[in-house]
Amino acid sequence: DGGITQSPKYLFRKEGQNVTLSCEQNLNHDAMYWYRQDPGQGLRLIYYSQIVNDFQKGDIAEGYSVSREKKESFPLTVTSAQKNPTAFYLCASSGERSYEQYFGPGTRLTVT
Amino acid sequence: AQSVTQPDIHITVSEGASLELRCNYSYGATPYLFWYVQSPGQGLQLLLKYFSGDTLVQGIKGFEAEFKRSQSSFNLRKPSVHWSDAAEYFCAVGNSGYSTLTFGKGTMLLVSP
Repeated sequence: DGGITQSPKYLFRKEGQNVTLSCEQNLNHDAMYWYRQDPGQGLRLIYYSQIVNDFQKGDIAEGYSVSREKKESFPLTVTSAQKNPTAFYLCASSGERSYEQYFGPGTRLTVT
Repeated sequence: AQSVTQPDIHITVSEGASLELRCNYSYGATPYLFWYVQSPGQGLQLLLKYFSGDTLVQGIKGFEAEFKRSQSSFNLRKPSVHWSDAAEYFCAVGNSGYSTLTFGKGTMLLVSP
């Protein structure tokens, strides 16, 4: 079954720790995206990558970092510099020259 | 820059009644438009999309949307709502040249018996 997997579903961390969220896709899509979702805020773009070994900042990249070493994988690191990291994080992917994005099930990160 | 406005934060509809969710966008050229649905704690599922051509597009689960250029709108409709349609709905517009999407803040649909 083709799709996007995000793990874990729930993640808890102490303030001051970096944490990495996993995103894997087997859709053979070129582009991948990370969004942050807060209640009443919709989805805000953190980072995106249109090709391996290349990525661009989205609207709220501060305090986050990404890598794209493989086409299938686009991990997101929430660093200790992110002032308010508790949120629901969604990963998505899209095919070549396509705006149609497919989403993973999300990871809920709680930092205390 | 592109923007999407969903004027209604919450909407309550009786089961069996018709539904219209509003979406207005700001974009210079012909937009690529999408509606997604999200159940609590889940990812987003694509309902339908508009790229060009017929301004009335059909989607999954009995939903349709109409693109009206003169009103910069892309409203989502369903003739008869089912309790399982209760969810949050997001409208999105494609950002030319970047393959990214700009999302509205969402409309939460509640279905009353």
